[in-house]
Amino acid sequence: DGGITQSPKYLFRKEGQNVTLSCEQNLNHDAMYWYRQDPGQGLRLIYYSQIVNDFQKGDIAEGYSVSREKKESFPLTVTSAQKNPTAFYLCASKPQGSGNTIYFGEGSWLTVV
Amino acid sequence: GQQVMQIPQYQHVQEGEDFTTYCNSSTTLSNIQWYKQRPGGHPVFLIQLVKSGEVKKQKRLTFQFGEAKKNSSLHITATQTTDVGTYFCAGPNTGFQKLVFGTGTRLLVSP
Repeated sequence: DGGITQSPKYLFRKEGQNVTLSCEQNLNHDAMYWYRQDPGQGLRLIYYSQIVNDFQKGDIAEGYSVSREKKESFPLTVTSAQKNPTAFYLCASKPQGSGNTIYFGEGSWLTVV
Repeated sequence: GQQVMQIPQYQHVQEGEDFTTYCNSSTTLSNIQWYKQRPGGHPVFLIQLVKSGEVKKQKRLTFQFGEAKKNSSLHITATQTTDVGTYFCAGPNTGFQKLVFGTGTRLLVSP
C-alpha cells in the first residue's frame, strides 16, 4: 500500500516530556511537511523539508524539532519548550514541482496533561 | 508574509440548500488547490485550478479561479449530509517550497 503513515494515532504525555511523532512515506516524494491543527482551526506549518538532510522552519517552529536523515522519514519532536502542545499533528508530502498536490497522513492526536 | 483568508468561517445549512466559500490571497497565485477535511479526518485533495478565470466542476461542486489569480470560490449545489466538513483552499508560496493554506470554512449540513 502506498501512502503516508503517521504513528501513533493517539498519544498522551505528561507536561515537560519530549515526544516524537513518526511520519513515513513510500510515495518517493521529495518534500515533506508537518502541520499543526487546533480544534476548529486551520493548518499551521511547523517545519518542512525539500530534500534529505535539509529542512526549514515554518510559521510556528518554536518548541519543535525535526530531522530528515532518510527520504522516507520525517519525524517531529515536540519538546518541553512548546507551551501548548496539545493538538492534532498532520504530516504531508508532495513530489517536486509547483503544481503538485500535497498528500496528508491520517494525523496524530497529542494530548499533554 | 503571504496570507490566504476564507469566508465564511462557518456555515450551517439545511440539506438541499446551496453553499459557497470564498478564498482570498494577499498575493497572486500560480495555482490554487482545494481540500476537504471530514470531522476527525485529514485533508484530502479535491482539485487544482491553474488558469486565470478557470472554472471546473465535480458533480455538485463548482470551483472558480479569479481573473487576477488572487481569489477563488467553491460552490456546492444542493448540499447533502456527506458534504459536512471543513474546506480549505491553498496556494504555493512565492518560492514554491510550500503550500499556504486558507483559514478554512466549516460546513454543517442538517438533514
